[in-house]
Amino acid sequence: DVKVTQSSRYLVKRTGEKVFLECVQDMDHENMFWYRQDPGLGLRLIYFSYDVKMKEKGDIPEGYSVSREKKERFSLILESASTNQTSMYLCASNPGRPYGYTFGSGTRLTVV
Amino acid sequence: GENVEQHPSTLSVQEGDSAVIKCTYSDSASNYFPWYKQELGKGPQLIIDIRSNVGEKKDQRIAVTLNKTAKHFSLHITETQPEDSAVYFCAASKGKSSGDKLTFGTGTRLAVRP
Repeated sequence: DVKVTQSSRYLVKRTGEKVFLECVQDMDHENMFWYRQDPGLGLRLIYFSYDVKMKEKGDIPEGYSVSREKKERFSLILESASTNQTSMYLCASNPGRPYGYTFGSGTRLTVV
Repeated sequence: GENVEQHPSTLSVQEGDSAVIKCTYSDSASNYFPWYKQELGKGPQLIIDIRSNVGEKKDQRIAVTLNKTAKHFSLHITETQPEDSAVYFCAASKGKSSGDKLTFGTGTRLAVRP
């Protein structure tokens, strides 16, 4: 069964900490995406990557960065966590054609 | 950029009734329209999709219709069951020209009353 695996289901971090959210896919997909999900706002794209070492900003990239050193792994980095980054973070991948995404189960991040 | 609006935000139906969720999109270049179901504690899961060269697609109890002229598409669930209770998201994509990005609607929370 194809999978997108997010390393943590729940995280609690302090304001100002550097936070790493990890995502791994086993489907050899070209494209990987990070979204955040907030009530009433749906899913909003933070960053995406269409190849190793390639990245593009999504709709809300401020306060975030990403890293894709290997095709299967896409990391989201919160350089200095703030309380307004408390959210559900969802990683997804797709094979580089107009097909639907495969999502991970999400990481619920709380910044205190 | 693309904007996708989704209605209603909440929907409650009696088991066995039909449910309809509607979405509109702004960019006429969008050509791929998936629907996702998100159950509690899980990531969204693709349930059906439609491409711009097709007007309707059906898979058992679920169907999606697309009106390109009006730029809207809808999800229809017939004979609803309690396990259909979830949050549903519509999305739109312009394909490779936009990096295969999906723009999502804000979601519909469907409750099916037994």
